[in-house]
Order: sequence, then structure tokens, then C-alpha cells
Amino acid sequence: GENVEQHPSTLSVQEGDSAVIKCTYSDSASNYFPWYKQELGKGPQLIIDIRSNVGEKKDQRIAVTLNKTAKHFSLHITETQPEDSAVYFCAARRGGSYIPTFGRGTSLIVHP
Amino acid sequence: GAGVSQSPSNKVTEKGKDVELRCDPISGHTALYWYRQSLGQGLEFLIYFQGNSAPDKSGLPSDRFSAERTGGSVSTLTIQRTQQEDSAVYLCASSPSFNEQYFGPGTRLTVT
Repeated sequence: GENVEQHPSTLSVQEGDSAVIKCTYSDSASNYFPWYKQELGKGPQLIIDIRSNVGEKKDQRIAVTLNKTAKHFSLHITETQPEDSAVYFCAARRGGSYIPTFGRGTSLIVHP
Repeated sequence: GAGVSQSPSNKVTEKGKDVELRCDPISGHTALYWYRQSLGQGLEFLIYFQGNSAPDKSGLPSDRFSAERTGGSVSTLTIQRTQQEDSAVYLCASSPSFNEQYFGPGTRLTVT
């Protein structure tokens, strides 16, 4: 089955810096890659997703890049703010499947 | 509009007792998922419902776990004869389509 590795497990940055979280996947048939943000005491919330026919997608301060050949994708957050502090999860889903495989999460801490 | 709701938000139970966790999905969403999130871990898939189709139970860790979805809406996850290793946050998500999932806030289960 699919295996998703996520790094780093913890990321600490200063407000205004950029943050990058990386994930690798094992199943070359995966074609949908969502990212979720989970704040303390809440459920995960979808923040951005990318499909395998696209190499990059941006939404304001958030961007995701996908390298299908290397089977890795990354979340980029620019101009970080304290409210960006949360746990971020990547996931990968195989074409034809309805069940994504999640990474183990990255705890992002943005210091004011 | 109203999001996914789960109840109770917290549940403390004694080892060996049965528990029921409830999920109210977003109205009109045909797909419903249950996940388990243990401390410091990613989301572990448990079960998937889609419309009137037979559920995908492939993620249930043992026969002590079961779930129902009545009338294509509310779902109940039941854990019988709870064990300490069942302690976790149980998350429910609903989806209107093949892709994005909307998560509830979760139920934190503690087995003493």
C-alpha cells in the first residue's frame, strides 16, 4: 500500500520567515495530494491540494509543489504569522481510491 | 453553514466497557469517514461509508470496532470491551465529492 513520509516532525520559525514541509510517497499511482492544518482541539482543515497533472499551486501565502518523478511534494508558507502555528498533515491518494494515506504531521511553531 | 459535529467531545471510560461515538455530517454529503488519531501519529483510517453502498471496513483494527450510518446521515462508531490502547482522538469527516474532506472536532477517548 501507500506509504507517506513527512519531515520535519517539528519546525520552529520566526514570524515573517518562510516554512517548508516535505512529504514523500511510495505509490506512483497516487494522483491527489491534499494538505491539512490542525489547530489545537480542532479537526484537520483542508488548506490546499494539488493533482498530479499540475506541478505547483499557490493560494496567497501558501503554495504546494509536486515532483512526480521523485515522488515528493512540499508545502511552502511565506511571511509566517503566529496564527500559522498548528500541526500540518500531508496526504496522498491513489487514483480510483477514496482513502488517503496521511503523513505523521509537522508541528509548526511561529515565534512572534 | 453547520460543519461536521461529533459527540461527546470527551469520553472517559473504564477498561472493558462499551462506548458509542456519534458523528453528524454536513447535510447532503454522501461520503463519511472515521479516523483514529493517536498522540503524535497521523490519521489512521477506520471505515468509509458512501451513500447506500456497503461500507469499507478495511481499517477497523479488531472486531471490537463497528460502525453504522443510519439513513445516509448520522453515524455511530461503537467500541466494545474497550482497552487502554483504544485511547485516542476519533475523527469523523464527510465529503460531498471524491476529494475534499471536512473534519469534525473529534472525540477524545480515554480508557482508564
